[in-house]
Formats: sequence, C-alpha cells, structure tokens
Amino acid sequence: DQQVKQNSPSLSVQEGRISILNCDYTNSMFDYFLWYKKYPAEGPTFLISISSIKDKNEDGRFTVFLNKSAKHLSLHIVPSQPGDSAVYFCAVSGSSNTGKLIFGQGTTLQVKP
Amino acid sequence: DTEVTQTPKHLVMGMTNKKSLKCEQHMGHRAMYWYKQKAKKPPELMFVYSYEKLSINESVPSRFSPECPNSSLLNLHLHALQPEDSALYLCASSQHRDRSYEQYFGPGTRLTVT
Repeated sequence: DQQVKQNSPSLSVQEGRISILNCDYTNSMFDYFLWYKKYPAEGPTFLISISSIKDKNEDGRFTVFLNKSAKHLSLHIVPSQPGDSAVYFCAVSGSSNTGKLIFGQGTTLQVKP
Repeated sequence: DTEVTQTPKHLVMGMTNKKSLKCEQHMGHRAMYWYKQKAKKPPELMFVYSYEKLSINESVPSRFSPECPNSSLLNLHLHALQPEDSALYLCASSQHRDRSYEQYFGPGTRLTVT
C-alpha cells in the first residue's frame, strides 16, 4: 500500500508560468516532508522541505505548502524555467533520527520554452 | 565538495556471480544509505549506516550484504542475485541520520542480472 502518492505522472507547463506538483500521504504521524528533483543519469537532489509545524516554506522560486488536515502537500515553482524539467519526488519522514525517507512515485515536469 | 561517487556506473552479472558496488563521499558525513530504484518507481530504502554501524535493514534479502569499512566508504556486496534484482542502486549520505540534514545522492549503479 502506497503511503505517499503523486497522482500525476506528468505535467507540462509553459516557461514563465506556475508549475504545481501535488503529493498526498496516508499516515498522519508523518511530520516532515521533502521534495527532491531528479535529472536523467543523476541521483535525486534535495529541493526544499517543510515541518508539520508550518504550512508554508519558501525558497526562491520554490514554495511548498502543507495541508495537514487533508494530508496533502504541493510544490509551486514560479516562474517555471526549461531547466526545471525533471522528475520531482515528494518524500516523507515519520521519525526524527532514523534517516528513513519514503518517496512518492514521482511527477515528470516538462517546461516548454 | 558535495559529491557522492558510485562505481561502477553499469554492471552486468550472472546469477552465480559475486560483485560489489562502491560508494564514496568526502563531506565528513556520518550517515550513509543504500536505495534501490526500479524503472518508473520511487527509490526504496535498503540500508542505513550511522557512524559506520548498520542502523536500519529494511528486510533486504541476505544476497545483498552491506559494508561500511570507514566513514567515507560504503559497499554493497552482491551474491546469487535474481533477475528481478535488476535496478538502479543509489547511494546517499547526510551529515547525520536526522531528517533535518539533507541527503546527497550519487548518480547510481545500473545493475542488470542475467
């Protein structure tokens, strides 16, 4: 049973517009959430994270929103750039000091020039 | 230097072979991880090492044997693998196990078991 779900396998947006990637989780005990980006032939790269004590975290063009009641998080990229084209994974951590992350299936973002 | 290196990039092995995957980081990180990623699937955690000691084994079959000879190196010894073990094997490291520390991933080893 998938504990972390990214229901959209792919997303295509125009350069300069907003990209919104979504992620749902099942366990209300999860309290730390992360987004990773992956280019082909490279390992995932950390983007941004958020703790359950917050509902928003911003870093430059990237903002993560957390809705705990809905068990939903989203990543907004504004403005989107062609270099943002990659696979985006959301990940959750349920325990502070194990290092264990559970990843979603990934969403492939294509930003068209 | 924020790089995690993995060798080899590609590996083809038969079901009776013994081979090893290697991972190295020089960031002074004290936690290291092995993940397995099948095509079109997310990375799945296999093992976590913290201060060179195995702290998590996600019920991985014994044909996968991890080893952490020192704080910079992580090996994954492979023996009697099955074709379904073919996957991308990713190594990662972080300053400590705590989730507030970013995990840095290597590019992976693409393993094919014939």
